[in-house]
Amino acid sequence: AQTVTQSQPEMSVQEAETVTLSCTYDTSESDYYLFWYKQPPSRQMILVIRQEAYKQQNATENRFSVNFQKAAKSFSLKISDSQLGDAAMYFCAYRVLGGAQKLVFGQGTRLTINP
Amino acid sequence: DAGVIQSPRHEVTEMGQEVTLRCKPISGHDYLFWYRQTMMRGLELLIYFNNNVPIDDSGMPEDRFSAKMPNASFSTLKIQPSEPRDSAVYFCASSPGGGGDTQYFGPGTRLTVL
Repeated sequence: AQTVTQSQPEMSVQEAETVTLSCTYDTSESDYYLFWYKQPPSRQMILVIRQEAYKQQNATENRFSVNFQKAAKSFSLKISDSQLGDAAMYFCAYRVLGGAQKLVFGQGTRLTINP
Repeated sequence: DAGVIQSPRHEVTEMGQEVTLRCKPISGHDYLFWYRQTMMRGLELLIYFNNNVPIDDSGMPEDRFSAKMPNASFSTLKIQPSEPRDSAVYFCASSPGGGGDTQYFGPGTRLTVL
């Protein structure tokens, strides 16, 4: 069974600094997708970034980028120039290509931004 | 376009009562998902539909839970009878199709069973 592990329950960073959130996963599949979702206090789940496993290039969305290491089954999220609005729970998620449609989530990392 | 709509946003009920959660997916999306979020178990898939047909309900915890999708724009998740351990946030999500399509989440319903 696929599993997703986020080893950092909590992280904090100074405003305007850079922070990296870690995620590892376990799968025997070769084709899959990885996602980072943000959950602010409003509890709305918001997609931050996604990565297709067949793409070697790391995905980037403005201040958010990932470091995808397929062989190591690692998928970290880097947030540059942290802003107060980035404070939230961040969830890493995995989905196999085709077959079961479900997202498998990690336990989440709570990110605090210090002004 | 409006996002996924869920109602109610909050529900407080007493043990033994029937609870119905509602979801309107994004128009044109073929897939609809129900997730549950708890502190102990995190986010877990309960059931998902493709073109209104239930495809995988292996995550539904027990027979007290049921879900329906009578048409492409509406789904319900029903708990009867409810128990305190059902207290959680229930999310509905939809996606345009299969493959790697992103799932878009609703705001969730916080259910408290006393």
